[in-house]
Amino acid sequence: DIQLTQSPSTLSASIGDRVTVTCRASQSINSWLAWYQQKPGNAPKLLIYKASTLQSGVPSRFSGSGAGTEFTLTISSVQPDDFATYYCQQYNTYEHTFGQGTKLEIK
Amino acid sequence: EVQLLESGGGLIQPGGSLKLSCAASGFTFRTYAMSWVRQAPGKGLEWVSGISGSGTSTSYADSVKGRFTVSRDNSRNTLYLQLNSLRSEDTAVYYCAKDGGGGRPYADNPGEVDSWGPGTLVAVSS
Repeated sequence: DIQLTQSPSTLSASIGDRVTVTCRASQSINSWLAWYQQKPGNAPKLLIYKASTLQSGVPSRFSGSGAGTEFTLTISSVQPDDFATYYCQQYNTYEHTFGQGTKLEIK
Repeated sequence: EVQLLESGGGLIQPGGSLKLSCAASGFTFRTYAMSWVRQAPGKGLEWVSGISGSGTSTSYADSVKGRFTVSRDNSRNTLYLQLNSLRSEDTAVYYCAKDGGGGRPYADNPGEVDSWGPGTLVAVSS
């Protein structure tokens, strides 16, 4: 199975900061990677799919990049609504996997 | 508007069985692959199973292979997950998830998830 490793596990930021979350795959997944945001008590929300395509309705401060084994999610200017946990997911194989999550906290 | 609503969760003893359902509306159900994703209390997301739109192709995480079975009834717009030989580590909120249609490497496999149900809690304990 393909393992996804996210870093860091926790990220502290202030409003207006630029932040980046990294997701590394144990083998190439081409560009078949999605990013989700989850807030406590809620289902996840799709942000990015196919590594860099912004889901409809998602603010443009979110962006994704990468291919192969290394991917990044960037928030260009963190807003109060962005404090949450972020997950990457690969769907390059029939057995999908998620990263362990990155919690974005207020500094 | 896409709506997904899971049901069938509850408290079950180790070794027991349970069948989850997910009622779908607001989209042409038969044309979308679907997935089940779970989340143990205080833990991260874990992909559990996927099924093609026709129901002929299925896939499972190693942790549930041989114990869980995914199926769908396109005439009833309903997705199912049969959970057998339940263990304490299966305790989680189970989410029904719809393929986003943004492309995928295998036509009969789900891709990214663009819609989620609110989840149903399965608690395995004696």
